[in-house]
Amino acid sequence: DAKTTQPPSMDCAEGRAANLPCNHSTISGNEYVYWYRQIHSQGPQYIIHGLKNNETNEMASLIITEDRKSSTLILPHATLRDTAVYYCIVGNSGNTPLVFGKGTRLSVIA
Amino acid sequence: ETGVTQTPRHLVMGMTNKKSLKCEQHLGHNAMYWYKQSAKKPLELMFVYNFKEQTENNSVPSRFSPECPNSSHLFLHLHTLQPEDSALYLCASSQDFGGGAPDTQYFGPGTRLTVL
Repeated sequence: DAKTTQPPSMDCAEGRAANLPCNHSTISGNEYVYWYRQIHSQGPQYIIHGLKNNETNEMASLIITEDRKSSTLILPHATLRDTAVYYCIVGNSGNTPLVFGKGTRLSVIA
Repeated sequence: ETGVTQTPRHLVMGMTNKKSLKCEQHLGHNAMYWYKQSAKKPLELMFVYNFKEQTENNSVPSRFSPECPNSSHLFLHLHTLQPEDSALYLCASSQDFGGGAPDTQYFGPGTRLTVL
C-alpha cells in the first residue's frame, strides 16, 4: 500500500505556481520522497527526489518539512503541458520497488 | 523520448492467443521492470529483473511469463489471458536496483492491451 496521502485533484492557472502537497507521516529515516508524473497515455516521468533537504532541478522544487512528515512539489510557472497525474512516493528505490498510489490529477487552465 | 521503447504500442488478442510484449532500453541500465496499469487503478508492479535475474514477482498469475535475455531487453509472454487483463503494460529501467542508493526509473510509453 502507498504510504502517502495526496489530494485527488487540483487546478492551477497557467503561468502561476502549482503547489502539490503530500502527507507521509509514517516515513522512516532511510526513506526518500520521490515525485513522478504521468501525462495522459504516457509512461510515468521522474521529476525529483529528496531525503530531508529541499531540492531544486530544472523541472521543479521539492520542499520537505523539518519533521519530514509532509512535502510540497512546486512547479514555478505551470504550463498546459504540465497537466498530468502527479505521484508522491515514499521509499528507498535502491532497495525495494516504489509503490505508486493514485496521485493528484493537476489540471492547468489557460 | 526516455530511452525505453516498447512494442507493440497497441495489441488486441483473444483469450486463446499467445503474444509477447517487448521492451528495450538504450540507457545502459541493469534493472528492468514490468508494471500493469488498469483503468482508474494505481500502477501495479509485476516483475523486477536485476542483472538478468528476477528479483521480484508480485504474485502475478502464471499466464504472464517474463523473460530477460540480457540487461537491455525484457519480454512479457502472454497466454490464455482474461478480459480483466486488459490494461496498459509499462516497462521501466533503472541503473541498479538493490544497490542501496536512490534509483531513478525511466518508463517506456506502454503497450495498450485489449483482451477480447
